[in-house]
Amino acid sequence: DQQVKQNSPSLSVQEGRISILNCDYTNSMFDYFLWYKKYPAEGPTFLISISSIKDKNEDGRFTVFLNKSAKHLSLHIVPSQPGDSAVYFCAAAGGSSYKLIFGSGTRLLVRP
Amino acid sequence: TAGITQAPTSQILAAGRSMTLRCTQDMRHNAMYWYRQDLGLGLRLIHYSNTAGTTGKGEVPDGYSVSRANTDDFPLTLASAVPSQTSVYFCASSDSGYEQFFGPGTRLTVL
Repeated sequence: DQQVKQNSPSLSVQEGRISILNCDYTNSMFDYFLWYKKYPAEGPTFLISISSIKDKNEDGRFTVFLNKSAKHLSLHIVPSQPGDSAVYFCAAAGGSSYKLIFGSGTRLLVRP
Repeated sequence: TAGITQAPTSQILAAGRSMTLRCTQDMRHNAMYWYRQDLGLGLRLIHYSNTAGTTGKGEVPDGYSVSRANTDDFPLTLASAVPSQTSVYFCASSDSGYEQFFGPGTRLTVL
């Protein structure tokens, strides 16, 4: 049973508009969440993270929102750019472990 | 700084053969990880090492073994490859935190 779920395999948005990528988790022990971005033929790269003591973290065009009661987090990209086209993975960790549990990924396409 | 290097970049392997995927980091990170990425399943942890000399099992350890003789190297061995081990393999490292740094990956096809 997947503890971290990304239910949308793909998302397509127009350049300049907002991209919203969603992630749900089931394990209430998770207290740290990360988003990774992956281009084809490359390894994932860290994008942004959030601790469970916060409900929002912003870094430039990227904002992550955390709703602990709903066990849901989302990544907002505003404005979206063609270079943002990639696969985005959310990941969670918690308890005494630094091991990450990844979602299945969402492929974002930003159309020029 | 190279970060994490993985070798080979890709490999086609006959079922039943053994293979070692190499991973080296130059960041002096304590922890290292091996993941496999499969379509629709995301990244799944195979094995990890919190520090040199120690290893642990992840979500999908069967058919794989690792060793951590020193800080920099974390090889992954498939003793007798099977077609279900066809995947893209990523090595990662971290330094006392949640953020992990990933290598470029090894694409393995087992026929």
